[in-house]
Amino acid sequence: GAVVSQHPSRVICKSGTSVKIECRSLDFQATTMFWYRQFPKQSLMLMATSNEGSKATYEQGVEKDKFLINHASLTLSTLTVTSAHPEDSSFYICSARNLQGAGGADTQYFGPGTRLTVL
Amino acid sequence: AQTVTQSQPEMSVQEAETVTLSCTYDTSESDYYLFWYKQPPSRQMILVIRQEAYKQQNATENRFSVNFQKAAKSFSLKISDSQLGDAAMYFCAYRSAYDKVIFGPGTSLSVIP
Repeated sequence: GAVVSQHPSRVICKSGTSVKIECRSLDFQATTMFWYRQFPKQSLMLMATSNEGSKATYEQGVEKDKFLINHASLTLSTLTVTSAHPEDSSFYICSARNLQGAGGADTQYFGPGTRLTVL
Repeated sequence: AQTVTQSQPEMSVQEAETVTLSCTYDTSESDYYLFWYKQPPSRQMILVIRQEAYKQQNATENRFSVNFQKAAKSFSLKISDSQLGDAAMYFCAYRSAYDKVIFGPGTSLSVIP
């Protein structure tokens, strides 16, 4: 099946620094990628929809200046957490939409996630 | 706005037995997709099964099957012959055509050996 990778898998940073998380679709082109945030024992909350070559669409309540999303190519989207603070500590998951996937038309595949800890 | 509800925060099943996880959703749309995702302790999201709303036949994938009741807006997952590896969080999810996926709150499934 289609593979989506995320890098890094874990990151620890100091408060006030910025952290970049990469999401790559390894064997398909993804015009649309999604970024989710998941707190312990909770569900996935959609943060933003990333479209290749255009601005991301953010969900209500998500600060676009804090969570910068760039989708510069059909296989790469990045999420940058700017001026990170302890409350930004969470598990971040990306997914990529494969319009012609074997799993069925328009299937979303998920990355393994990135655990961010802000000290 | 669409919503997805899973009324069972936790469930348990004896190994080799059958368990059913419940999911209801609310939408005014007629064209949409429903999914069950599994999230094991590794936290990798795994697609278990999908159902297109226009299909009357319930989807089946090996030991996993769904009971899709469109009029009742119900989408339950049945796991037959439960195995230890089935222990995980299970999320019911909804997506309208070419739109974002909305997840339910999840059901934590334990499998008792």
